[in-house]
Amino acid sequence: QKEVEQDPGPLSVPEGAIVSLNCTYSNSAFQYFMWYRQYSRKGPELLMYTYSSGNKEDGRFTAQVDKSSKYISLFIRDSQPSDSATYLCATGPGRRALTFGSGTRLQVQP
Amino acid sequence: EAQVTQNPRYLITVTGKKLTVTCSQNMNHEYMSWYRQDPGLGLRQIYYSMNVEVTDKGDVPEGYKVSRKEKRNFPLILESPSPNQTSLYFCASSPDLDNEQFFGPGTRLTVL
Repeated sequence: QKEVEQDPGPLSVPEGAIVSLNCTYSNSAFQYFMWYRQYSRKGPELLMYTYSSGNKEDGRFTAQVDKSSKYISLFIRDSQPSDSATYLCATGPGRRALTFGSGTRLQVQP
Repeated sequence: EAQVTQNPRYLITVTGKKLTVTCSQNMNHEYMSWYRQDPGLGLRQIYYSMNVEVTDKGDVPEGYKVSRKEKRNFPLILESPSPNQTSLYFCASSPDLDNEQFFGPGTRLTVL
C-alpha cells in the first residue's frame, strides 16, 4: 500500500467551478500535510500546508485535513485556466515533505 | 533570484554510459535532495544531504551516487545507466529538515 494515495485524473472542469482534490494517507505519525502545484515542464512548488487537523484558507484555496479518516483535501474556488496543473499532496514530520502522492492533473477550461 | 538550477534539462543516452546531472542552489540551504518522478508513482527520494560531506540514501538509491563537496552543489551520478532509470529527475533544497523545499526545474532523462 502506498503511503499517500491520490486519484491521477485528469480532472476537467469549466472556468469558475469549485474543484475538490483529495488524498488518503496511511502514516498517522506525520503532522504536516502539504499541497504542491506543478505546472508542465516545471518543478513542484509548495502551494500551502496545514499542521495536524483542520482547515487553512489562502485566497481561493482551502486545505483540509481529517486525521480521523486520514483524508486530505484541497478546494479551489472560482477556478481559473491558470490553475491548470498537476497537484501533489504530501505528508511529513515537518514542512519538508517526506511522502508524495502521484498527483492529480487538473484542467480548467475557459 | 533565489533558485535551484539543474543541468542538463533534457538528456538522451545509452545504457552503460556514465552521466552526471548537476544541481546548484544559491540560497545557502543546508539540505539538498534528489527525486525521481514516474507516472503513477509520484516523487520518490533517491538521496539526500544534510550538509557538506553528509549524504544518505533515500527510498530508491540503487544505481545512483551523489556527492556534496560544496554547500551549493549536489550532483547526481549514474555510473552505468539502465533503461529503468529513464525518468524525470528533480533536485530540491531547503534551509533545514523542518522547512519547505524548493525544487529545480527538472531533468528529463532517457536511457536507451
